[in-house]
Amino acid sequence: QLQLQESGPGLVKPSETLSLTCTVSGASISSTSYYWGWIRQPPGKGLEWIGSIYYSGSTYYNPSLKSRVTISVDTSKNQFSLELSSVTAADTAVYYCARRDWQLVPWFDPWGQGTLVTVSS
Amino acid sequence: EIVLTQSPATLSLSPGERATLSCRASQSVSSYLAWYQQKPGQAPRLLIYDASNRATGIPARFSGSGSGTDFTLTISSLEPEDFAVYYCHQRSNWMYTFGQGTRLEIK
Repeated sequence: QLQLQESGPGLVKPSETLSLTCTVSGASISSTSYYWGWIRQPPGKGLEWIGSIYYSGSTYYNPSLKSRVTISVDTSKNQFSLELSSVTAADTAVYYCARRDWQLVPWFDPWGQGTLVTVSS
Repeated sequence: EIVLTQSPATLSLSPGERATLSCRASQSVSSYLAWYQQKPGQAPRLLIYDASNRATGIPARFSGSGSGTDFTLTISSLEPEDFAVYYCHQRSNWMYTFGQGTRLEIK
């Protein structure tokens, strides 16, 4: 059974870089069938797609965040990661990682449980 | 960017009633639309994909319809566990967006 688990600091200072990792179990991150994505949700608000990556390292990002986002993959650890630079309070959110099976059901499913990141000094 | 507008923002119904949730896209997304359910403290769960296909394990009381710019999620007879927030989501031209959500609450 595929599971995803986000991990990383729960508190980041303004202007610093937010770094999160998603560990995948029950499937290979190197599968040619999957893309992997990050989505966030500010407290009490809606969902925002951040970006996605293929096992080869090919990425595509939300244009509104593109200048500050880097998503990378580590196939040896079956993980992919998110870096968001120059954070502000507006980046406070629950951050989710998710899989997209582009061959069968090309939508985000399943999702990790999410991790809350607060930006504050 | 394709904007998804959901209506109503809040829907108050009783168990056993029929729920109809709407999602309108600012431009055509063909059938590239999904619906998610989110309960407090949980990650979103995929309900419907490609506008009308139920995801694995989703009860038959959930159905989706529409294409182009207008989409509907219907819950035929509400169960207590259906009260949650519902989001529509589109994927088009390698850019993904979500609607702002409809909160389905118990009347």
